Amino acid sequence: GAVVSQHPSRVICKSGTSVKIECRSLDFQATTMFWYRQFPKQSLMLMATSNEGSKATYEQGVEKDKFLINHASLTLSTLTVTSAHPEDSSFYICSARAPHGQSYEQYFGPGTRLTVT
Amino acid sequence: QKEVEQDPGPLSVPEGAIVSLNCTYSNSAFQYFMWYRQYSRKGPELLMYTYSSGNKEDGRFTAQVDKSSKYISLFIRDSQPSDSATYLCAMKGGSTLGRLYFGRGTQLTVWP
Repeated sequence: GAVVSQHPSRVICKSGTSVKIECRSLDFQATTMFWYRQFPKQSLMLMATSNEGSKATYEQGVEKDKFLINHASLTLSTLTVTSAHPEDSSFYICSARAPHGQSYEQYFGPGTRLTVT
Repeated sequence: QKEVEQDPGPLSVPEGAIVSLNCTYSNSAFQYFMWYRQYSRKGPELLMYTYSSGNKEDGRFTAQVDKSSKYISLFIRDSQPSDSATYLCAMKGGSTLGRLYFGRGTQLTVWP
């Protein structure tokens, strides 16, 4: 099956610093990856859609200058949280689109827990 | 009104019970319906995938879609403690390339 990895799995940083999270598709090429944010006992909130070789498409209300997304290759997308603040603390999950039978489906990474102190 | 509604629970059942999880939705354009299982502090794992109305069975899991009522269900037979997780419904429109719309997730605990 399609495997997606994320690194790091957990990160603690100080307020004002930037944090980079990597999302990799391990056994397939993903032209499209997605970044989600999840608060405790809440659903996944789509932040942005990342397309290889082009600018990411951000959902309404998501600050593109704060959450920088780069999709430089068919197997790697990165999310950089710039000037992080405690309210950015959350669980960040990426997914990659892969063929699923005659369709396409999203396969999720294990998530990255960000804590900003 | 949210596009996808799901009762967050929590739901607690004894081992061996039949579990019924449900979602309702408002967008009649949704054509693809999925159930994901998410263990604590992990990413969601695709469990069931259904196109349009009907039933789909995979082992102990059965997914049902009733588009006329805008209602989807996931049944788990002979539930096991290892089934304890949060179950998220998700759906998307007519394009297989479309974005997913998620429910809040239902937290399920199966106790031995």
